[in-house]
Amino acid sequence: AQTVTQSQPEMSVQEAETVTLSCTYDTSESDYYLFWYKQPPSRQMILVIRQEAYKQQNATENRFSVNFQKAAKSFSLKISDSQLGDAAMYFCAYRKSGNQFYFGTGTSLTVIP
Amino acid sequence: EPEVTQTPSHQVTQMGQEVILRCVPISNHLYFYWYRQILGQKVEFLVSFYNNEISEKSEIFDDQFSVERPDGSNFTLKIRSTKLEDSAMYFCASSGGIGQGHSGNTIYFGEGSWLTVV
Repeated sequence: AQTVTQSQPEMSVQEAETVTLSCTYDTSESDYYLFWYKQPPSRQMILVIRQEAYKQQNATENRFSVNFQKAAKSFSLKISDSQLGDAAMYFCAYRKSGNQFYFGTGTSLTVIP
Repeated sequence: EPEVTQTPSHQVTQMGQEVILRCVPISNHLYFYWYRQILGQKVEFLVSFYNNEISEKSEIFDDQFSVERPDGSNFTLKIRSTKLEDSAMYFCASSGGIGQGHSGNTIYFGEGSWLTVV
């Protein structure tokens, strides 16, 4: 069974607009960690934002924020004021109490000038 | 900020040859990983390593793969007899323990080693 699901293979957004990338996950644990990674054309995996499941407050990093819905097992990423440099593949990831990380299949984001 | 470093950045090898990909994880991290990404596909887990032994491995990590931490700083992935389908970007990553705060619970990736098997 797929642990992390990203249902949007591709998304596009106008420059300066806001876009939301969706992610759902499957777990029976109560304590875990969630992440969004960005992979630009250089193919480096860059941490964008992280969320601890025990924290109710949604994480925010500058123009990036998440909507964490623990009961719904949903972890979406919102990018505000989109910039051309935001164009990349975005991967949602989940870490449970052990040392294993699980990644979704990714969402390719295009930013239209 | 500390980072994971990988060498080489790109290697071309003939089918059947042995390849060693090298990584230097972040120095105070405890868990080390290799992931693979075939062009245009998702990031796939290969193996995790903790306390000088493999803690988990995927179905991809068959007998032709091995990992080693030879000297306390390097972490290597060896592919004994490469196949065309081994062509991919190989990412090394490391993380700390859950109790090590944000650094501990996050996985940090190297820039990847792009392997082309011809």
